[in-house]
Amino acid sequence: AQSVTQLDSQVPVFEEAPVELRCNYSSSVSVYLFWYVQYPNQGLQLLLKYLSGSTLVKGINGFEAEFNKSQTSFHLRKPSVHISDTAEYFCAVSDMNTGFQKLVFGTGTRLLVSP
Amino acid sequence: DTAVSQTPKYLVTQMGNDKSIKCEQNLGHDTMYWYKQDSKKFLKIMFSYNNKELIINETVPNRFSPKSPDKAHLNLHINSLELGDSAVYFCASSQAPTSSEQFFGPGTRLTVL
Repeated sequence: AQSVTQLDSQVPVFEEAPVELRCNYSSSVSVYLFWYVQYPNQGLQLLLKYLSGSTLVKGINGFEAEFNKSQTSFHLRKPSVHISDTAEYFCAVSDMNTGFQKLVFGTGTRLLVSP
Repeated sequence: DTAVSQTPKYLVTQMGNDKSIKCEQNLGHDTMYWYKQDSKKFLKIMFSYNNKELIINETVPNRFSPKSPDKAHLNLHINSLELGDSAVYFCASSQAPTSSEQFFGPGTRLTVL
């Protein structure tokens, strides 16, 4: 079984500063990795995903993440955040045996961007 | 246009009652899901349907019964509600079980008193 750990429940940052949201996973098999974003009062939206190939993946809204197999991490980064990036960010994993249906989510990190 | 919609948005009810949450998607997807997000924001899959057939059932109590009248709808009926059922329930859809992206609804916050 897989598990996902998002150690930071909340990350406050000033506008235009860089940010990194951490995600570590545990799995005995190869995995697919995802970041979803949830804006206030909305459903989750896919930000980016790692399926195979280059370990650096780029997503929407200027976000990117790097898959590090040796450290079992998939940290999310943005070089300069905006107020509008304030949201809840969820890291998720699914294993290559069961495919994409069974997403296992972390408990989320709330990004708070202030002026 | 709302891609995945859920009704109601909020649901407050007493223990022991029976309630339903409806989900509809207008994306033409074949696969739909129900997730439960508890008070600690832990989001866990409950069910998945593909083309109206159940394909995932994650050890959910029998009091929870999903029903898919057609590909565009997946409703969740809950019998004999308990305090522990209080959560936010999210519906989602994907083009197929093999699709890597799921599209989520806005959630239904269920409070059991």
